[in-house]
Amino acid sequence: DARVTQTPRHKVTEMGQEVTMRCQPILGHNTVFWYRQTMMQGLELLAYFRNRAPLDDSGMPKDRFSAEMPDATLATLKIQPSEPRDSAVYFCASGPGGGTQYFGPGTRLLVL
Amino acid sequence: AQSVTQLDSHVSVSEGTPVLLRCNYSSSYSPSLFWYVQHPNKGLQLLLKYTSAATLVKGINGFEAEFKKSETSFHLTKPSAHMSDAAEYFCVVSEVTSYGKLTFGQGTILTVHP
Repeated sequence: DARVTQTPRHKVTEMGQEVTMRCQPILGHNTVFWYRQTMMQGLELLAYFRNRAPLDDSGMPKDRFSAEMPDATLATLKIQPSEPRDSAVYFCASGPGGGTQYFGPGTRLLVL
Repeated sequence: AQSVTQLDSHVSVSEGTPVLLRCNYSSSYSPSLFWYVQHPNKGLQLLLKYTSAATLVKGINGFEAEFKKSETSFHLTKPSAHMSDAAEYFCVVSEVTSYGKLTFGQGTILTVHP
C-alpha cells in the first residue's frame, strides 16, 4: 500500500533555528504539494511541483521559506529562521495528476 | 477561478441517522470535485471524487456524493452514521487548468452522538 511519508513527525525548536521537513512522495506521482494547517487559517497551500519543477510558491513567505525537490523521491521544505507564528502542521501530498492527491501524516512543528 | 463553500461549519447527528454535509462550488471550467476526511491528529484521506463520469459517486465507508451542475452542488451523504465517522470533512475542487491544484472548503466538523 503506497503512502506519502514525512519526517520528522514532530519537531520542537527555538525561534531563529532552521527547520527542515522532508517528504517522500508516492513513486510515479508527478505532482507534489506542501500545505500548512492551523486552527486560525485552516489549510493553506504553500507550494507545489510538477515533474520536480516548482509551479507555484506564492503561498509561501519568500524571505524565510524555501521548497525544493532534489530528486523524484524527495521534497523538502525549509524554514530559516523559524518564528513562533510558523507553528503549525505541515502536510505533503503527491498526486498522479488530475487533481487527486494523497496526503502524508504531517509534521507537527512547534517553534518556541 | 474556482472556489468552494461548505454551508455548515458543524453538523451533529445521532449514531444510526443519516448524514448530510453540504457543499457548493464555483468553477470556470468543468471541475473535478472531491471530499476528503481528516480524523483528529491525522492527515487527510480521500473519500471520493467526481471527474465528469457518473453524477452519483460512491466512496469509502458508505459515503456518496451527487454532482448537480444546475445547483453547483456536491453534497456528501451517508444513510447511517457511525461513531467512527466523527471527523472534519473538506469539499475540494480542482480545475483541469490548475495542474492538479486543489481549492479547499473551510471544512465541516461532524459530531456523532451515541
